[in-house]
Order: sequence, then C-alpha cells, then structure tokens
Amino acid sequence: NAGVTQTPKFQVLKTGQSMTLQCAQDMNHEYMSWYRQDPGMGLRLIHYSVGAGITDQGEVPNGYNVSRSTTEDFPLRLLSAAPSQTSVYFCASSSGGEKLFFGSGTQLSVL
Amino acid sequence: GQQLNQSPQSMFIQEGEDVSMNCTSSSIFNTWLWYKQDPGEGPVLLIALYKAGELTSNGRLTAQFGITRKDSFLNISASIPSDVGIYFCAGQAGGGADGLTFGKGTHLIIQP
Repeated sequence: NAGVTQTPKFQVLKTGQSMTLQCAQDMNHEYMSWYRQDPGMGLRLIHYSVGAGITDQGEVPNGYNVSRSTTEDFPLRLLSAAPSQTSVYFCASSSGGEKLFFGSGTQLSVL
Repeated sequence: GQQLNQSPQSMFIQEGEDVSMNCTSSSIFNTWLWYKQDPGEGPVLLIALYKAGELTSNGRLTAQFGITRKDSFLNISASIPSDVGIYFCAGQAGGGADGLTFGKGTHLIIQP
C-alpha cells in the first residue's frame, strides 16, 4: 500500500547544481502535482499534470521542469539550483478531483 | 490568484481543550477541504465539504462550509497529543486539483 513515494527524503546541493526529485504513485491516478512548502507560505503549486504526456505550470514554476512519460512517475527537475529553492517539496496525486494524496516530502537545502 | 486567510497562525493549548480554526476568502469556493500535516510527513485529507452550510464530522473533528461560501471552520474537541501538527484549509472554485488554493496553515501545539 505505497501510495505516493518520493525520493530522496533529504538533499543538499550547491548553487548551480542540477538534480531530479523523484515521485511515483501506484494508485493509477491521472493527476499529479508538485508543491513547495516554505515557512509562513503554505503550499504553493509548482507544476502539475493531468495525464501522461501533459504538463502545465502552477503558481511558482520558474527554475523547475517536469515531464510525464508514464502515469506512475512525475519527476521534478531543478536545472541550476539556487538558494531560493531551499524548501520542502511535496508530490501529490489524485484521481482527477480535489482530494489529493501527498507523498512524505523531500527536504532540499541549496547552499 | 485567490488567497485564503487562515487563522490563527499557531495555537498553544492544553490537552483536553477544544480547538477552533478558520479560513476566509474574498472569493467564493465550491469545495472546502481540511488537511493535517504531521511533523516530517505530507498533508493528509481530514474532511471535504461540498455544499454551503454543510457540517461534517470525522471523529472528534467537525468542519463547516460557510453559508457565504467564502469561509470554513474546523473544530477539534477534547484535544489529545496526537492532534499536534499543522492544519491546512484548501478551497476550490472549480476545475480539477490544480484549482486548489491552500491556506498558510495553523500550527497546533499541545502543552502537557
């Protein structure tokens, strides 16, 4: 009963490095999304996908890329990490409605 | 974009006390949701509300969809230590999950 699985749990990067945050779900959900959580800011939508091959920007997409080649996976790429991207990142999925299932998060620090 | 005002930002209470928190918006929402985030984990859905005036319970938790459709309330009765965490409201005006707007959260701390 895995649900939404995110890896890694923790990551430290140097400014300018690139990396990919992984997200996989085993609920056959069409909708997947990425949020970032910052103190006092709540959850802000970065990118989302309504199905394989379809992605769109959320509220704060700059500096991040996504792709959706399969229903199960929705990786988030940081092309050139910046200190402003230090945050906790959550992947979420749903069957198309408003009820999101969240992963346990990736805590990212950019030095 | 739409914004939600969630209050209070944090609460320090004694075990056994009742808790109330709320979210307000300048816009009308068709759906209100309440999530709880435990330390080190992702948010988990507690209650979903779909109709103005609706009152829904989940154990010791009760949430209401405001009549004006611009607010929602969450009450926790007889708090216990495992209630500690961050509670988020979320509103949806329409469309899919990408249309969700989250509040900034209420941090609940229970003092022994």
